[in-house]
Amino acid sequence: EAQVTQNPRYLITVTGKKLTVTCSQNMNHEYMSWYRQDPGLGLRQIYYSMNVEVTDKGDVPEGYKVSRKEKRNFPLILESPSPNQTSLYFCASSWTGAGNQPQHFGDGTRLSIL
Amino acid sequence: GEDVEQSLFLSVREGDSSVINCTYTDSSSTYLYWYKQEPGAGLQLLTYIFSNMDMKQDQRLTVLLNKKDKHLSLRIADTQTGDSAIYFCAETVPTGGFKTIFGAGTRLFVKA
Repeated sequence: EAQVTQNPRYLITVTGKKLTVTCSQNMNHEYMSWYRQDPGLGLRQIYYSMNVEVTDKGDVPEGYKVSRKEKRNFPLILESPSPNQTSLYFCASSWTGAGNQPQHFGDGTRLSIL
Repeated sequence: GEDVEQSLFLSVREGDSSVINCTYTDSSSTYLYWYKQEPGAGLQLLTYIFSNMDMKQDQRLTVLLNKKDKHLSLRIADTQTGDSAIYFCAETVPTGGFKTIFGAGTRLFVKA
């Protein structure tokens, strides 16, 4: 089954404790992206990757890191999480980054930073 | 700057038509999308329209695009309780690559 898988689905942690949210897709997609969803703000793009070893900042990259060593995986790293990073996070992928390619979304990861 | 705006809530009765509206600011948009988000799930693409089209119909869904006013709408005919969800409008703009900008989402309540 074609899917985007995120782990964990839920995480409660404390300020400053490094964490990684994994994202994996099995569709051989070139383009992958991370978004955060906050009430009243919709989805805001954190980072995206056009292909392996190519990553770029989205609209809200501060406090986050990503890597794209393999095509299928695109982990999101919070080196020193802070409470303002409490949010619902989505990973998405598409064949390419071209405008006519709809994105496939994971089911989300809800992070709470205390 | 780029911005996509939607009203936050819409309530309709089962069987009626729903119309969800969206406005965007970037005239260089290439594609405009409607995504649906059900509770506890990610976003699923419902439909999309290329920026040189005025209308697209897909079963119960009709998308209207007024490029002059930068206005996009989604009409759901014969709305069912299963249509209750959050609907996101999004546009893709060229930025060297492409960037997708989402609205805040419209929560549709369908009353039986």
